[in-house]
Amino acid sequence: DARVTQTPRHKVTEMGQEVTMRCQPILGHNTVFWYRQTMMQGLELLAYFRNRAPLDDSGMPKDRFSAEMPDATLATLKIQPSEPRDSAVYFCASGLIENIQYFGAGTRLSVL
Amino acid sequence: TQLLEQSPQFLSIQEGENLTVYCNSSSVFSSLQWYRQEPGEGPVLLVTVVTGGEVKKLKRLTFQFGDARKDSSLHITAAQPGDTGLYLCAGARGAGSYQLTFGKGTKLSVIP
Repeated sequence: DARVTQTPRHKVTEMGQEVTMRCQPILGHNTVFWYRQTMMQGLELLAYFRNRAPLDDSGMPKDRFSAEMPDATLATLKIQPSEPRDSAVYFCASGLIENIQYFGAGTRLSVL
Repeated sequence: TQLLEQSPQFLSIQEGENLTVYCNSSSVFSSLQWYRQEPGEGPVLLVTVVTGGEVKKLKRLTFQFGDARKDSSLHITAAQPGDTGLYLCAGARGAGSYQLTFGKGTKLSVIP
């Protein structure tokens, strides 16, 4: 049963700490997306990769957020330093066709 | 700017009732998708509609894309507790576009 795997599922940290979220896309998928979901804003696209190359990170606060794909089986989203307003559920999605996306179960981040 | 408005935001109904939820925009989309998200999980794609006026059925769920491709509806017949979840619509601007704009969703509760 192929699925997108995200770790950790939950993360509680203090303001100012670095947070790293990881995503293993479905094997063979060549597109990876990072989203953030909050009650106020809903789902927002943070970054998009195709064939491991970042094509769009315009939705991401550049001063503290960074997204990378060290290899085809791993995507990372880092926040440094974290702030309380970063508290949200972060989703990774992968796909073969850009608008058909398979979502992971998310990382619920709480920054105190 | 919220490009996709979903209504109602919350809906609580008894098992066996019918319901319709709406997704409206002033923008034209090349395609529109509906997702269902359960607590603690990521969104799962239900359907993609592409042609204005298109109607698709998925068991008790009927999806319609507006003639002008600016709006969509989801009708559920004889709702069951298993239909409970957050229903999200998402629009794509261009053919094969990766950039999906999500609505904030309709939270449906079906009471046994």
